[in-house]
Amino acid sequence: QKEVEQNSGPLSVPEGAIASLNCTYSDRGSQSFFWYRQYSGKSPELIMSIYSNGDKEDGRFTAQLNKASQYVSLLIRDSQPSDSATYLCAVLPAGGSEKLVFGKGTKLTVNP
Amino acid sequence: GAVVSQHPSWVICKSGTSVKIECRSLDFQATTMFWYRQFPKQSLMLMATSNEGSKATYEQGVEKDKFLINHASLTLSTLTVTSAHPEDSSFYICSAPGLIYSNQPQHFGDGTRLSIL
Repeated sequence: QKEVEQNSGPLSVPEGAIASLNCTYSDRGSQSFFWYRQYSGKSPELIMSIYSNGDKEDGRFTAQLNKASQYVSLLIRDSQPSDSATYLCAVLPAGGSEKLVFGKGTKLTVNP
Repeated sequence: GAVVSQHPSWVICKSGTSVKIECRSLDFQATTMFWYRQFPKQSLMLMATSNEGSKATYEQGVEKDKFLINHASLTLSTLTVTSAHPEDSSFYICSAPGLIYSNQPQHFGDGTRLSIL
């Protein structure tokens, strides 16, 4: 059973702080990793993808991948109230499958 | 703009009713589409993969006879919840595999909120 684990939170940070979201996955052969943001009642929106070990930065977002530890993280710098949402970690397992495996999501609240 | 269109966005109906949800790929062909269900405060759970011109592949524990999936054309997949009951109330989302140039693994529809009274 391929699994993706996230702390469900909720995670609460003050405006301007760094929010740190974590994810672990069970399929060691996985090659593609994604972070989605989902507002209540809406579909997930892709915010970051990462494929190789290390950091990937895009604006206020930084994704970090450590395949040896089977660990993915997302850092949100200068958090804004509009960042308040549920963040879903998703993994494409090995084997060429197009099926994403999602974690349960971490609910983030950024307090003004 | 949206590449996958899902309709309707909201359905409220009586118990025992069958409800059809449509998922269309816009300006591209999708031989495969995915159907997810999301209960409140839960993650997206893949229900089934629809395949154009052949039977859908259902995930373990999903009732094939209750959740009928049809992928009759390269741009349209439908999910019919038959004889819906209150426990079927959920957020249903479809998606299509990402286009090569899009850098997205999947393109999601806007979802359908289904409420069974």
